Amino acid sequence: KAGVTQTPRYLIKTRGQQVTLSCSPISGHRSVSWYQQTPGQGLQFLFEYFSETQRNKGNFPGRFSGRQFSNSRSEMNVSTLELGDSALYLCASSKSGYPDTQYFGPGTRLTVL
Amino acid sequence: GEDVEQSLFLSVREGDSSVINCTYTDSSSTYLYWYKQEPGAGLQLLTYIFSNMDMKQDQRLTVLLNKKDKHLSLRIADTQTGDSAIYFCAEVPTGGGNKLTFGTGTQLKVEL
Repeated sequence: KAGVTQTPRYLIKTRGQQVTLSCSPISGHRSVSWYQQTPGQGLQFLFEYFSETQRNKGNFPGRFSGRQFSNSRSEMNVSTLELGDSALYLCASSKSGYPDTQYFGPGTRLTVL
Repeated sequence: GEDVEQSLFLSVREGDSSVINCTYTDSSSTYLYWYKQEPGAGLQLLTYIFSNMDMKQDQRLTVLLNKKDKHLSLRIADTQTGDSAIYFCAEVPTGGGNKLTFGTGTQLKVEL
């Protein structure tokens, strides 16, 4: 069974731009969560989507948003990029339980110049 | 406090056992996890334990849970150079749904 896939793997953007990251969960998984990893703040939860609805949300500004499609694929968008948004963005999928074991993708490395 | 705490570094010799410790925050956490991260990679789920268990063994990995002290440990037997990585413990606090709260990570270095 294929694991969680994330595209693109690497991105370079400039301040003020916006970016969209994509995540395809493991087949049969209906929940997708997003995390940000930085050297200073570590791993922080952004939000979780289940059945196309945001089920949980972390403490990030409104510039960070997401959505989930009917096939459970998810996208995350960051608008008006700031230098501090440079990070590894990780997506995780789980079946449907609340809580349930989460499996992570390889991440998207975003660099903001 | 609100932080899941781990020591930052651990160095062991190949063939020895490694013990990575974690202190978590919520005594009611239902799931406790260990993840492994290699350079440039995502998080690999190693093992997990339910809060109603004291111990779980999975091949070379042994997880011990002390709920009274909110202490979790991961023991890796016969540590190999391929085990060199950062290890994260994570909890799902009460009412947290699927929101994982991670520790700071422990960098394990295995020396020959």
